[in-house]
Amino acid sequence: EAGVTQFPSHSVIEKGQTVTLRCDPISGHDNLYWYRRVMGKEIKFLLHFVKESKQDESGMPNNRFLAERTGGTYSTLKVQPAELEDSGVYFCASSPLAGGQETQYFGPGTRLLVL
Amino acid sequence: AQSVTQLGSHVSVSEGALVLLRCNYSSSVPPYLFWYVQYPNQGLQLLLKYTSAATLVKGINGFEAEFKKSETSFHLTKPSAHMSDAAEYFCAVRKETSGSRLTFGEGTQLTVNP
Repeated sequence: EAGVTQFPSHSVIEKGQTVTLRCDPISGHDNLYWYRRVMGKEIKFLLHFVKESKQDESGMPNNRFLAERTGGTYSTLKVQPAELEDSGVYFCASSPLAGGQETQYFGPGTRLLVL
Repeated sequence: AQSVTQLGSHVSVSEGALVLLRCNYSSSVPPYLFWYVQYPNQGLQLLLKYTSAATLVKGINGFEAEFKKSETSFHLTKPSAHMSDAAEYFCAVRKETSGSRLTFGEGTQLTVNP
């Protein structure tokens, strides 16, 4: 069974540009999460989808970030326009919709560098 | 307020020595607790999790952790370190009051010396 995949693995862009990150969850997982780790800091929650609906987006830093999950399968996270402080590693995780004790399975992350 | 504290951003042990990575949480209600590991150039992998079934939790690769409510701790241990254990380790908590999001500690980089 394929794990969580993320694309691209690395992205280097200039301040003011737009970047779109993609996450493909494990097949059948209705929960999808985005997290971010800024250098030297802890991994922080950004938002949570249940199927195509945003369950919790309280961690999104500002309105330059837009997440979508059309059709309840893969998700995209767009940063527009990117700022220097957006640099970091963006992780996606997925889990099945069951019980509340479900394990979140993480992808390898996208390393974003904004110059 | 910080929910998860990992003491020591870097820990170095010799091969064969005990590994002890510390994690303390702040919660009035025992949460669900997790340890994840990130090997170089890979994603986070679950080592083990505590969900109130048993206070001593055994995970993969010989790791285990003990939930101590009185100390609000969930330290990770392994009796004998291998070179392959070199990685970054993250303690995380899931609180009932925060939906299903995970709150992570800052991570501990483990170095294993030959």
